[in-house]
Amino acid sequence: DGGITQSPKYLFRKEGQNVTLSCEQNLNHDAMYWYRQDPGQGLRLIYYSQIVNDFQKGDIAEGYSVSREKKESFPLTVTSAQKNPTAFYLCASTKIRQGAGELFFGEGSRLTVL
Amino acid sequence: GDSVTQMEGPVTLSEEAFLTINCTYTATGYPSLFWYVQYPGEGLQLLLKATKADDKGSNKGFEATYRKETTSFHLEKGSVQVSDSAVYFCALSDRSDYKLSFGAGTTVTVRA
Repeated sequence: DGGITQSPKYLFRKEGQNVTLSCEQNLNHDAMYWYRQDPGQGLRLIYYSQIVNDFQKGDIAEGYSVSREKKESFPLTVTSAQKNPTAFYLCASTKIRQGAGELFFGEGSRLTVL
Repeated sequence: GDSVTQMEGPVTLSEEAFLTINCTYTATGYPSLFWYVQYPGEGLQLLLKATKADDKGSNKGFEATYRKETTSFHLEKGSVQVSDSAVYFCALSDRSDYKLSFGAGTTVTVRA
């Protein structure tokens, strides 16, 4: 079945460590996105990419980095510069110029900094 | 820029009660509008959508109508079930950049 796979589902990190969250999609979607969700808040856009080897900062990009070397993959690195990284991270994708612009989401990765 | 404002929760209802969650938006163009639902510990699932004024989106007994004159997209369900307990997000997409702007989410709890 087609879909978006995020891993790991749960991740624990010590302060000062970088961690990478994986996001893979087999929907042949052009664009991919990373959102951060904090309790009681909506989703905030971290980074997005509409084409391979290109990506743009979202509203809260500081302390994060991404790459888009393959159409199917959009990993997110949470660096030690991110001051408050404990959150639920959601990856999404969409097909550009087709449909209403709705996003399809993965199951999420919950990062906890110890 | 584009933004979405939705009714704050939490909302607690009894089974078979009527549910309405208000959502209003601000956008410069002609956005598409969406309602997403998030069950505990999961990602978001598209519940329904509308792409132009007066469109009505519907799914699983939920409905929302795209009202351009009031810039609203309120979610309604006539008779809720315990399984409808979730967080509901209103969102809009400016199709020029294919980014979604989300409301803060409304937590709905339905009691038997």
